[in-house]
Amino acid sequence: DADVTQTPRNRITKTGKRIMLECSQTKGHDRMYWYRQDPGLGLRLIYYSFDVKDINKGEISDGYSVSRQAQAKFSLSLESAIPNQTALYFCATSHDRWGTDTQYFGPGTRLTVL
Amino acid sequence: AQSVTQPDIHITVSEGASLELRCNYSYGATPYLFWYVQSPGQGLQLLLKYFSGDTLVQGIKGFEAEFKRSQSSFNLRKPSVHWSDAAEYFCAVGEASAGNNRKLIWGLGTSLAVNP
Repeated sequence: DADVTQTPRNRITKTGKRIMLECSQTKGHDRMYWYRQDPGLGLRLIYYSFDVKDINKGEISDGYSVSRQAQAKFSLSLESAIPNQTALYFCATSHDRWGTDTQYFGPGTRLTVL
Repeated sequence: AQSVTQPDIHITVSEGASLELRCNYSYGATPYLFWYVQSPGQGLQLLLKYFSGDTLVQGIKGFEAEFKRSQSSFNLRKPSVHWSDAAEYFCAVGEASAGNNRKLIWGLGTSLAVNP
């Protein structure tokens, strides 16, 4: 079984809809991250969490919110989806507190907002 | 501010040829450096990383990278490319800010195509 799982893997939704992307990990890591990937723009950090009580905005958090329900679960929500949120979304985890920061990625969720 | 530059957006090589992907970083202290690979339809996978010590690091799938402090570079190399190496390659640097607030700064990626 994969260490980092994301659900759903693909989602098509309409403008204005609320949508949640879920991430679960079995690696026992404290740190979890949400990124989006767009062609030509690389990976951009949306939110990150260093433990259940610590959630931080990344470089592009507007229009997104997150919930860290447990050490193993980190969900990303789009309260009112818009077309420019169409992208590939990745969840990642890491363990080291003093920053080797090797990150382990899920397989991604491809989101299309019509 | 820290930054990572991958000068080549797209590279095409022939199978069996050697490969070098460039990565330059801007960082004040000794950086933590990473190369990740993203195969089509997949998530990212760590190829190799550098923290300290020997500046030539070996990774998975026959890849290696060399840290050159004087050039602020961490180029990825492979002596003989296989068709399965066609993928997107990302360089990243570990940012060390106050306390535990450490995260990765990513390059924009280099897309590698391999001709048969």
